Parts: sequence; C-alpha cells; structure tokens
Amino acid sequence: DTAVSQTPKYLVTQMGNDKSIKCEQNLGHDTMYWYKQDSKKFLKIMFSYNNKELIINETVPNRFSPKSPDKAHLNLHINSLELGDSAVYFCASSRWDSPNYGYTFGSGTRLTVV
Amino acid sequence: GQQVMQIPQYQHVQEGEDFTTYCNSSTTLSNIQWYKQRPGGHPVFLIQLVKSGEVKKQKRLTFQFGEAKKNSSLHITATQTTDVGTYFCAGLTNSGGSNYKLTFGKGTLLTVNP
Repeated sequence: DTAVSQTPKYLVTQMGNDKSIKCEQNLGHDTMYWYKQDSKKFLKIMFSYNNKELIINETVPNRFSPKSPDKAHLNLHINSLELGDSAVYFCASSRWDSPNYGYTFGSGTRLTVV
Repeated sequence: GQQVMQIPQYQHVQEGEDFTTYCNSSTTLSNIQWYKQRPGGHPVFLIQLVKSGEVKKQKRLTFQFGEAKKNSSLHITATQTTDVGTYFCAGLTNSGGSNYKLTFGKGTLLTVNP
C-alpha cells in the first residue's frame, strides 16, 4: 500500500554509466517531483511535472532527463554518471486542491557513483 | 532566486528541554510547510500554514507563520527521544498557473540526550 514508491532503493554504479530511477504514486496526485538530497542533507528541487507536463526544470545538467508516461509515474534517467551525482534522490507527489496536504515523499534512492 | 534560510543547523538538547527552529524567506510565501526526516528516512509532512500570523499546534509542537508571511518557527515543548531527526521548513511560491515551487530550508538536526 506504499503511496509513493521508488526503485531501486540503492544504486551503485561506475562513472560514465547510464542509469534510471523509477517512481510511482497511487495517491491520485496531479503533480510529481524529483528532489536531490546531498551529503549535507540539503533538499533541492530538480524537476516538477503536472499531469505529465514539465513545470519546473531547475538548473540541472542535461544528462538528467525526466519522463512522465502518465500522471502516476515519473522516472529519472541519468546519462554519463559523474562522482558528483552521488546523493539520495527523492520522488514526491502532491495535490493543490486541499489546504492541508503537503508533499508525499518516496523512501529515496541512494545513488553512489564510484 | 528565492531562498529559505533556517537556523540553527544543529541543536542538541537534554530530554525534557524545549527546542525551537526558525525559518526566514527572502520573498513572501503562499504558504509554509514543515517536514520531519528521521535519520535514514524520508521527509514526512507535518503541517502547512497559510494565513498571515497563523498558529497551529500538534500535541507538543507549535508552528507559527509570521505576519508578513516571510518567516516561521517550530517549537517543541519538553522534547522526547522520539523527536530526534531533521526538521525542514519549506516555502511555497507560485509564479502563475500551476507553476508552484516548494523551496526547502537546509534543516535543523535535533538530537536528544536521554
């Protein structure tokens, strides 16, 4: 019954490889996000999709490409991985028609580039 | 760009002591949200404040939103070991239509000595 699920939970890969992280939400939310949390715990927005449409695209290298096949899924593909990409990547979702709802986060994907 | 500053970065208290973390935005916010992230976990939504000067309570937690909607605080009375974690404030801004952006502060890591 996981609300926002991400796979894989851990990802260890070599520099230069290409990898994908998948995210799915079963909450019926309209908007999904990718956040990056660095070693200092800073949470930074990367992308935001509303009903499959890209809304926010922060200053992220174009090696990162999000894809939203439908409003319940938002995947993140990373090309040519670099050491600095090592971080925890969180997927989240939200809705805006209620004042009491915040973002629901997935459990995160810990990416380690070696 | 919009910035959300949060202090202190770390706070260590004895169990039973009070704890406060403060949040300040460079711009007026649509709302402010608070999240808690346990060590090794993911951010979990605590509450959302929308109105100027709003105060909300959740058991031992008291949340305030400033009159100018640019600052906020979270106060925990009589901390317990279960309060351990990083508390994040996050300011929501809207630049038109469905273009909402939630910017996180850097968080306050609370540790509690039993």
